[in-house]
Amino acid sequence: QKEVEQNSGPLSVPEGAIASLNCTYSDRVSQSFFWYRQYSGKSPELIMSIYSNGDKEDGRFTAQLNKASQYVSLLIRDSQPSDSATYLCAVKPGKLIFGQGTELSVKP
Amino acid sequence: DARVTQTPRHKVTEMGQEVTMRCQPILGHNTVFWYRQTMMQGLELLAYFRNRAPLDDSGMPKDRFSAEMPDATLATLKIQPSEPRDSAVYFCASGLSTDVRYTFGSGTRLTVV
Repeated sequence: QKEVEQNSGPLSVPEGAIASLNCTYSDRVSQSFFWYRQYSGKSPELIMSIYSNGDKEDGRFTAQLNKASQYVSLLIRDSQPSDSATYLCAVKPGKLIFGQGTELSVKP
Repeated sequence: DARVTQTPRHKVTEMGQEVTMRCQPILGHNTVFWYRQTMMQGLELLAYFRNRAPLDDSGMPKDRFSAEMPDATLATLKIQPSEPRDSAVYFCASGLSTDVRYTFGSGTRLTVV
């Protein structure tokens, strides 16, 4: 079992819809959780971090964490074509471990 | 904006040659990571340093890869001898141990033929 697992996608949503990205992790001692966005040919950039159970909102992005279920998600409201990218879930039980990433495509 | 600088941006080399990739972390950052990204494996952690000391290099093939931080402004990743399966994008990232936000460099795209 991989330490951090994501659906590889691609996930396709129409412009204006909500995109939902999911991630599970195996190490229960993980304390910090992140979502990175990576455009094709570019480096990953941090868009959200979450440390406590519940929801954290930042603009159109909402990160959700459920430590009991070892589950992290990212919701993108009012999706835009510029949101089309690969979204990487990362978990920090000491070192930063990434999932495979989910490719999101937002169609105009 | 402060940046993590990686050189070279692209490298094409023949199998068996030595390859050295360099990373200049953001000034003041004390944690440095090396990652390798391929389509098949995604982002794999190769090694990471804190205050220039190696903390974990378990993801790195020890027989051919080596990572060092000769000083606080330079991290290096060396492959000797290189093999076609080493073809990938190698990213360096830096941050502070007291802050969970890490910044990635632009990467080195390595092609071994």
